[in-house]
Amino acid sequence: ETGVTQTPRHLVMGMTNKKSLKCEQHLGHNAMYWYKQSAKKPLELMFVYNFKEQTENNSVPSRFSPECPNSSHLFLHLHTLQPEDSALYLCASSQGVGGVIYGYTFGSGTRLTVV
Amino acid sequence: QKEVEQDPGPLSVPEGAIVSLNCTYSNSAFQYFMWYRQYSRKGPELLMYTYSSGNKEDGRFTAQVDKSSKYISLFIRDSQPSDSATYLCAMSDGNTDKLIFGTGTRLQVFP
Repeated sequence: ETGVTQTPRHLVMGMTNKKSLKCEQHLGHNAMYWYKQSAKKPLELMFVYNFKEQTENNSVPSRFSPECPNSSHLFLHLHTLQPEDSALYLCASSQGVGGVIYGYTFGSGTRLTVV
Repeated sequence: QKEVEQDPGPLSVPEGAIVSLNCTYSNSAFQYFMWYRQYSRKGPELLMYTYSSGNKEDGRFTAQVDKSSKYISLFIRDSQPSDSATYLCAMSDGNTDKLIFGTGTRLQVFP
């Protein structure tokens, strides 16, 4: 499989549940990102990892917990979410060495609904 | 002032029209410019990439960068209903691991 793969595609969870989103990239990139996209709002950067190290946490609430075990995999662990956290969560990767020159490759996203 | 400004639209045009989508930016260090297309409920896909100033053409799409005015454009010729999507501009100075995105312009092409 090529590109950036996100699973699951859709997720419905209660406010007391714990779930995880998974992202895998097969492009040999070294930087990975989590973005949140709410309806009719711009992309919101959540986290950046470069060579497995977190380089940015954009003031994200602690109920979102990222994990990057290697340069190819990225997780977003979710617990005690709120209904306003319902959104499309996008993973992206880039060849981040020396800066982003060629852009990101995005996954198809996980559509999260918190009930 | 936002680093990148983009009119959110929606922009509604008839099939066959020429569409012009634009972004302005404030950081003169930006050198790498991209346009992404995002269909509803999908992730953005890279549509066009340009470096520094000038034009780049790919089929019906032309990307234009004017660094002196800090202005970039995407032109779509002979627009089709399948072009209906949100178009996001993005840019980078090449020194950080982040792209700076515009808010996106929603385009609707009606038959």
